[in-house]
Formats: sequence, C-alpha cells, structure tokens
Amino acid sequence: AQSVAQPEDQVNVAEGNPLTVKCTYSVSGNPYLFWYVQYPNRGLQFLLKYITGDNLVKGSYGFEAEFNKSQTSFHLKKPSALVSDSALYFCAVSPRGSTLGRLYFGRGTQLTVWP
Amino acid sequence: EAGVAQSPRYKIIEKRQSVAFWCNPISGHATLYWYQQILGQGPKLLIQFQNNGVVDDSQLPKDRFSAERLKGVDSTLKIQPAKLEDSAVYLCASSLEGLSNQPQHFGDGTRLSIL
Repeated sequence: AQSVAQPEDQVNVAEGNPLTVKCTYSVSGNPYLFWYVQYPNRGLQFLLKYITGDNLVKGSYGFEAEFNKSQTSFHLKKPSALVSDSALYFCAVSPRGSTLGRLYFGRGTQLTVWP
Repeated sequence: EAGVAQSPRYKIIEKRQSVAFWCNPISGHATLYWYQQILGQGPKLLIQFQNNGVVDDSQLPKDRFSAERLKGVDSTLKIQPAKLEDSAVYLCASSLEGLSNQPQHFGDGTRLSIL
C-alpha cells in the first residue's frame, strides 16, 4: 500500500528564519515526489517535483526540497521564510511506471510564519 | 492560460438530497481527476478520466456517487443521496496526459456542507 507521512501537523517559524516541512513515504519502487501548497479557500498549487537526478530540487517561490532515498524522505525547505508563505503544505507521491498518474497525499502541514 | 474552473464554490444541502458539481479543465488536458478533501486530511482520489473514459474509479462510492465526462472536456460529479460524511471540499484537477511525472493543476474546489 502507498502511504505518505507528514509527521508535523503544524510548523511555526519566524520571518527570515529557515523552514523545513518534513515528508516520508512508503511506496513500492522509486516514486515521483511532489509538493503542493494550499491557501485558504483555494485549490492546491504545484510547487516542485522530483523525477530523477540531483537530490536537491528547486521550485517556485524560493522553495526547494531534498530527496533522500535511504530515508525515503522528501523534505521541503526554504532558506528565509516570509509571512506570505503561511499556508497548508501537502507532500504527494505518484508510483513510477504507473500509467494512471494517481497522486497519494499526506495529511498536510500547516505552516505559520510570524513577523 | 486559464486554470481549472469549478462551480459552484459553495453548496449547502440536507442529507438525502442530491447535488452536482461541474469542472472545466485546462484546455488541451486529456486527464481529469476528482478528489475529495475532508477537513484535516489530504485529498483522496475519487475518479480519474482519460479523455472521456474512466481509468480509475476504485475509490468512488458507486452506490451514491457518479461522474461523467461525455465529450472529453468538462465533467460533472453527482452525489445522490448525500450523507453527512460527504461534507468535504471536492477538488477537480487536470493534467496534460495523465503521466505519473506530470504535475496536476487544481481548481479552487466546491465546499459541500450537509445538514
């Protein structure tokens, strides 16, 4: 069975400080990995994805994510947080080789950046 | 590029009533997804269309939920009769070809409240 874990329901960080939102997964094979962000009363917006290659992936709005195969983790990071980064963040996986493109999501992590 | 359009944004009905949601994907996107997002959880796939055919409806409660995408463009999702546990946000997403390494683009969702 495919599963995605986001161990922290909430992450709080001061503006200007680095942030990390954690994600681990249990999926057969080597899945594709995604991060999405959701602002209140809005749909999910794609941030970045890991397909292959460099373990550090850069995405939108200054976010990056680090893939660690041995730890089956894909943590989202940003060197300097902004108040406007406050939102709900979802990690998702899609089994490699699948023709369906189905996404399996974690429960989400609420990020709050205070001024 | 216009995004994924959904309507209505909000709907309140009583249990045992019926309700329908509409989605228009990004132009040219062959694959359309319907997700259910219950408060405090990540989105869960209900059904996936490739053009006008269903490719995955394994998580759709078929005794009460139905969906169609007759001309391979827009889609409707129906619930009849609604139950209290159907209270959720219903998200529509689309992707270019439905490949597992392609990001999905989400609409803003329909928030359904069952009284």
